[in-house]
Amino acid sequence: GAGVSQSPSNKVTEKGKDVELRCDPISGHTALYWYRQSLGQGLEFLIYFQGNSAPDKSGLPSDRFSAERTGGSVSTLTIQRTQQEDSAVYLCASSGTGEGYNSPLHFGNGTRLTVT
Amino acid sequence: AQRVTQPEKLLSVFKGAPVELKCNYSYSGSPELFWYVQYSRQRLQLLLRHISRESIKGFTADLNKGETSFHLKKPFAQEEDSAMYYCALLVYGQNFVFGPGTRLSVLP
Repeated sequence: GAGVSQSPSNKVTEKGKDVELRCDPISGHTALYWYRQSLGQGLEFLIYFQGNSAPDKSGLPSDRFSAERTGGSVSTLTIQRTQQEDSAVYLCASSGTGEGYNSPLHFGNGTRLTVT
Repeated sequence: AQRVTQPEKLLSVFKGAPVELKCNYSYSGSPELFWYVQYSRQRLQLLLRHISRESIKGFTADLNKGETSFHLKKPFAQEEDSAMYYCALLVYGQNFVFGPGTRLSVLP
């Protein structure tokens, strides 16, 4: 595709429910990242994939958060038993090797999650 | 541990005035640094990276390893420069650590 695509763009859910956020990276990009953007908090790293494996999961806030990537492409971020503090914009980004070693990140528009 | 700091949450300048957005980093390896920008209602996008040593939209940034800084500068700010700016550090060639961001407001 032309860019990183995330769905849904907005999600309102009740506290305690599970949610699944999807990211379609740019075709051919091997690296995929999830970040969380909270009001006044900047960008918080969640998890990074190289292909289908996740070398760095250090940013996941709790065991309620998990992510997977299949076929070296689509990734899903799952939040179980959502809490109000999970409300934020969840950003996905991908980067490829074709742009050189220091390939920059290409971001999606994000999913705005609101937990009521 | 790797860390990026941006001391100013909000920076307001008048149109035509010089602007400098500060960024400092902490990293034991060879730093690779980037500036990302998010305009209102747009996605976060790359503004410039230090290895390119380029000027984008009039902005430049020089890596100063002695001061561990990568400040973003523009001699004459424009209203369309108003946005959120994030400094980012590439760690071990894999992960990106972002600073907390600075909101730049250019006043008419």
